[in-house]
Amino acid sequence: DGGITQSPKYLFRKEGQNVTLSCEQNLNHDAMYWYRQDPGQGLRLIYYSQIVNDFQKGDIAEGYSVSREKKESFPLTVTSAQKNPTAFYLCASSKGTPGQETQYFGPGTRLLVL
Amino acid sequence: AQTVTQSQPEMSVQEAETVTLSCTYDTSENNYYLFWYKQPPSRQMILVIRQEAYKQQNATENRFSVNFQKAAKSFSLKISDSQLGDTAMYFCAFMKAPDSWGKLQFGAGTQVVVTP
Repeated sequence: DGGITQSPKYLFRKEGQNVTLSCEQNLNHDAMYWYRQDPGQGLRLIYYSQIVNDFQKGDIAEGYSVSREKKESFPLTVTSAQKNPTAFYLCASSKGTPGQETQYFGPGTRLLVL
Repeated sequence: AQTVTQSQPEMSVQEAETVTLSCTYDTSENNYYLFWYKQPPSRQMILVIRQEAYKQQNATENRFSVNFQKAAKSFSLKISDSQLGDTAMYFCAFMKAPDSWGKLQFGAGTQVVVTP
């Protein structure tokens, strides 16, 4: 089955610790995205990547970092510089070509700070 | 910058009835895409329907249809014959075109509760 997987489902972070959220897709999509969702709010874009080895900051990139070494994978690192990391994190992907802009989402990772 | 506004935080509807969710957006762009996504309690974001701004015909997808009013910058979603499985948070989203790598701008969401 083609789709997007995110792991882990739940993640706990201690103060001062960096943690990495995994996102993998087997849809052969070129573009991938990371969003953050806080209670009662819509999704906000953290980072996005159009092609391998290239990525761009979204609206709330401070305190986060990403890499795109493989087409299938777009891991997100929440660094200790992110002071309020507790949120639900969603990864998405799209073909990224005209007529194929629709983004499809993974099941999400809930990050909690201990 | 584009903004997306969903003015109804929560709506309740009985099974088999119809409910309409409102969405307005602010943009100076002429070409763009609009989406409705559904987020059930599992929190999986699921695409419900998509509309291209250059198309005058309103999109439909089974029991889901939209009323797209470009001049008014309005994009409402109608759910007909509501089912218990339609209970979810519904998000309206905007994407600028032809920016195919498009960043989605989301509204705050409307919680829909379908009651027996």
